[in-house]
Amino acid sequence: AQSVAQPEDQVNVAEGNPLTVKCTYSVSGNPYLFWYVQYPNRGLQFLLKYITGDNLVKGSYGFEAEFNKSQTSFHLKKPSALVSDSALYFCAVRDDSGSARQLTFGSGTQLTVLP
Amino acid sequence: ETGVTQTPRHLVMGMTNKKSLKCEQHLGHNAMYWYKQSAKKPLELMFVYSLEERVENNSVPSRFSPECPNSSHLFLHLHTLQPEDSALYLCASSQGQGIQETQYFGPGTRLLVL
Repeated sequence: AQSVAQPEDQVNVAEGNPLTVKCTYSVSGNPYLFWYVQYPNRGLQFLLKYITGDNLVKGSYGFEAEFNKSQTSFHLKKPSALVSDSALYFCAVRDDSGSARQLTFGSGTQLTVLP
Repeated sequence: ETGVTQTPRHLVMGMTNKKSLKCEQHLGHNAMYWYKQSAKKPLELMFVYSLEERVENNSVPSRFSPECPNSSHLFLHLHTLQPEDSALYLCASSQGQGIQETQYFGPGTRLLVL
């Protein structure tokens, strides 16, 4: 079985400050982790994914995420937040012990960047 | 987002109506998905269609009926829905690379059942 937890429903950060959106996961096999962003009235947009290799993954719009196996975490980060980063962020996980198509999503974190 | 399109973008229907949602992907992918997104809940996978398999979430009521005539088109037929079915319905597609594949989403259809 696989599951994802996003412990914060809401994150507020001032523009120009670093941001972190947290994600922890639980899987039976090896994890494959994804971050998506959803702007109002839009579908989910893919940001980045971790498959294997370097624990620091770089993605779109200046976002990056750090895979930490011992803490079973995959937190999303950005060094300097923009007001336009305000959106709903979803973490998702798949593992290699089940269906290759089954992607499990967290409940989402609403990020608000204050000007 | 233009890689996966969904129509209509908004739909209001009564509980006795029959309607269909349409999804089309222009990415050359070989798998397509329907998800339900309700407020404050994780995305719920409803159906998967690919060359290898069709997967149904057993918790999805039979009033939702998928159809996948080819690898580029996916439909969700709706009949005798309930107000709790009001949600954003998202279509996604992927190219089968197995465990590493990335799903790409359409803009969604906002459904309101009265």
